[in-house]
Amino acid sequence: GESVGLHLPTLSVQEGDNSIINCAYSNSASDYFIWYKQESGKGPQFIIDIRSNMDKRQGQRVTVLLNKTVKHLSLQIAATQPGDSAVYFCAENMEAGSYQLTFGKGTKLSVIP
Amino acid sequence: GAVVSQHPSWVICKSGTSVKIECRSLDFQATTMFWYRQFPKQSLMLMATSNEGSKATYEQGVEKDKFLINHASLTLSTLTVTSAHPEDSSFYICSALTSGAANEQFFGPGTRLTVL
Repeated sequence: GESVGLHLPTLSVQEGDNSIINCAYSNSASDYFIWYKQESGKGPQFIIDIRSNMDKRQGQRVTVLLNKTVKHLSLQIAATQPGDSAVYFCAENMEAGSYQLTFGKGTKLSVIP
Repeated sequence: GAVVSQHPSWVICKSGTSVKIECRSLDFQATTMFWYRQFPKQSLMLMATSNEGSKATYEQGVEKDKFLINHASLTLSTLTVTSAHPEDSSFYICSALTSGAANEQFFGPGTRLTVL
């Protein structure tokens, strides 16, 4: 993930629209990526993951896209709902077998009713 | 999914005192747990990897004598912040790794530490 910053990027989306949250990761050797949702004052909640041998994976209302060429990860949320408002982090597993995760800086998603 | 708990959920202490935070895997055994620290509006930063029955592995810049980690059983890891100071005020989050083929990481709800 990218280095930690002092201000979270913010994305404001109208309820019902689709959201796209982006993440640039740092290690081309990373083989596993996860998107987490974190609500205020709570721990991260797993959303979806993807391995490096895939470029797309879909879940319920969410899709993760992986572009290894430019080391870019995106999370697409369809029909965004007020309950989707949270901070979203991407995380990468840089070292196979270590299971340690490096988190990106995060994006705050605000859904406008 | 599997459940990880933390206790306490929040704690306020005086500068110079020590605080212990517990991380428990409630319905699975975890030989490996991780401790993270998160400052306001920032990302999670890995502090250390806690291994059951052996010494923890600390990330660069994290003082092992200040942040004592004990992983005494397959369901419990503790983080003790010794001689806490206001700059140690943060949100401390643990995660536990399931064993076997899945190797999924489940996060606790976090502990808010405020040092006065």
